[in-house]
Amino acid sequence: DAKTTQPPSMDCAEGRAANLPCNHSTISGNEYVYWYRQIHSQGPQYIIHGLKNNETNEMASLIITEDRKSSTLILPHATLRDTAVYYCIVRISGSARQLTFGSGTQLTVLP
Amino acid sequence: DAGVIQSPRHEVTEMGQEVTLRCKPISGHDYLFWYRQTMMRGLELLIYFNNNVPIDDSGMPEDRFSAKMPNASFSTLKIQPSEPRDSAVYFCASSWGDRNTDTQYFGPGTRLTVL
Repeated sequence: DAKTTQPPSMDCAEGRAANLPCNHSTISGNEYVYWYRQIHSQGPQYIIHGLKNNETNEMASLIITEDRKSSTLILPHATLRDTAVYYCIVRISGSARQLTFGSGTQLTVLP
Repeated sequence: DAGVIQSPRHEVTEMGQEVTLRCKPISGHDYLFWYRQTMMRGLELLIYFNNNVPIDDSGMPEDRFSAKMPNASFSTLKIQPSEPRDSAVYFCASSWGDRNTDTQYFGPGTRLTVL
């Protein structure tokens, strides 16, 4: 799986959009970008994934650059409950292999 | 849907004792994963099963660790004998191995403390 690089921490004001970047310059053509988050003392939670098109669901939007070397997870209206560690993971979908978690980004939503 | 169920949620034991962690995956999922999380090493895979068969156990740290999946609705992770360095949060996750929807769903974890 391709290596990812994320900033260690970010702050965001409550109600504002949180934009979490991820670099994955060595991504290959059949690798998807996945985002999970882990709220303190809970198990990781799936957020969204995509291959090359932008994706949106009820939780977030995923913007992948045209060259696929980076992506941004957008939480449109961050709340205090969105404070968590966010992990960007690149892997082949359907391979059913393990998720390889990096250090992630600690997002703190401020009141 | 109850999600992935793990028990116990907390376990405190003394060095040398046997510890058994339990997991009930989401019904219908055919993959089950055991992860361990520590401050030093983060989240790391220990072992995973497909259709109750162990596929990759390369993450199991030592022979003291063993995992079984006797049926599609139950798995155990056993540590015997336990050591203080085994203290960690152990997560179980399950997924349906479909190409487009192989999202992994995690349980709440078992926090293990070995004294």
